[in-house]
Amino acid sequence: QSALTQPASVSGSPGQSITISCTGTSSDVGGYDFVSWYQQYPGKAPKLMIYDVRNRPSGVPDRFSGTKSGNTASLTISGLQAEDEADYYCYSYRNTNTLVFGGGTKLTVL
Amino acid sequence: EAQLVESGGGLVQPGGSLRLSCVASGFTFSRYSMKWVRQAPGKGLEWVSHIHIGSSSMLYADSVEGRFTISRDDAENSVYLQMNRLRDDDTAVYYCARDGGAGGSMDVWGQGTTVIVSS
Repeated sequence: QSALTQPASVSGSPGQSITISCTGTSSDVGGYDFVSWYQQYPGKAPKLMIYDVRNRPSGVPDRFSGTKSGNTASLTISGLQAEDEADYYCYSYRNTNTLVFGGGTKLTVL
Repeated sequence: EAQLVESGGGLVQPGGSLRLSCVASGFTFSRYSMKWVRQAPGKGLEWVSHIHIGSSSMLYADSVEGRFTISRDDAENSVYLQMNRLRDDDTAVYYCARDGGAGGSMDVWGQGTTVIVSS
């Protein structure tokens, strides 16, 4: 089961906006609105940031937003803050009744 | 507050077995599907297994199909992962997670339990 494709790393300065892409196929990202995004700090459990492409759980700042176009989903963080520095993973349902993560993206706040 | 606590990790030799447990609290466990996710040292997240409400169906990643078995006991608010024929590449932190809804997102996570497969 091949992973979804994410950039290995992205960076931005405080206050800027960054976007992390997550590319799959019509069998997963493109075929269903079942993409979610997770934030993970080193040594900690992941935290749900976006579900069903664009929905934010309560408590997640509205600086975090999700979109999808075709086979690519995206996570945008606006007004970047130092505390946003973490690893980010996308995740999708796949039509083989399996679930798949992206390879992960390390966000560095400069 | 919804919480998940995993246990059962440890050091095991290749070919051996281990059973992980995850106890839930703070929510009605029987109303949720549950998942296991793992993370090898220095690597990304990997979905391992999923069990539907009422144990109506179970799903597995190709990498563990035929070796791992997921189960649940709603009376004990627990989900389990029986891991047999363990291999070196099963070494990872194993997380249990609550399935938050139709999209399969995971809205509550445990702290993880570490499995090391080594001779």
